[in-house]
Amino acid sequence: DTGVSQNPRHKITKRGQNVTFRCDPISEHNRLYWYRQTLGQGPEFLTYFQNEAQLEKSRLLSDRFSAERPKGSFSTLEIQRTEQGDSAMYLCASSLRGTGNEKLFFGSGTQLSVL
Amino acid sequence: SQELEQSPQSLIVQEGKNLTINCTSSKTLYGLYWYKQKYGEGLIFLMMLQKGGEEKSHEKITAKLDEKKQQSSLHITASQPSHAGIYLCGALRSNDYKLSFGAGTTVTVRA
Repeated sequence: DTGVSQNPRHKITKRGQNVTFRCDPISEHNRLYWYRQTLGQGPEFLTYFQNEAQLEKSRLLSDRFSAERPKGSFSTLEIQRTEQGDSAMYLCASSLRGTGNEKLFFGSGTQLSVL
Repeated sequence: SQELEQSPQSLIVQEGKNLTINCTSSKTLYGLYWYKQKYGEGLIFLMMLQKGGEEKSHEKITAKLDEKKQQSSLHITASQPSHAGIYLCGALRSNDYKLSFGAGTTVTVRA
């Protein structure tokens, strides 16, 4: 069990550019979540997958954001035409549904800075 | 929006002293999670509470959930520098999948 892995750890980009983040969940976990966290705040839910199906998207997720989880394994989060307001820590978490005591395990996050 | 209230927002404690953090919801919770976060890093799972009146301990950290399942506390005994960080409570409001987090409590431990 190597935990939830996220890449890259840091990303600096210019406004208007596209960025993509990757998340590798714990191998047997069927649920995968994306959260966003800004300084001084707790994480906010963005979207979640059960296996390869994206079951919910938050209103926070504008049309510029898209997430995928092909084959129900790793996931990518893409932000198109980045804006300065997108600067935040993007956190991925995974869990195993159906255990009755579901624990969410988080990755180390990707810190995005939009200049 | 933050539906969970955490208090205090920050605290400074002398090494060896105890500390308590509170997390309050206006609605009954299905489950309550506690996480620790170092600045600029991910969240480390500490404990999950689901039953009213439940109490769990791990090393020097104890978490409790009240009978009404609306308030939780995290208590650290004999704090050490390794306990410094941001403590976040996260709530499940039903048997679903989304955690709603409080804003966090920043803990500083002074040697």
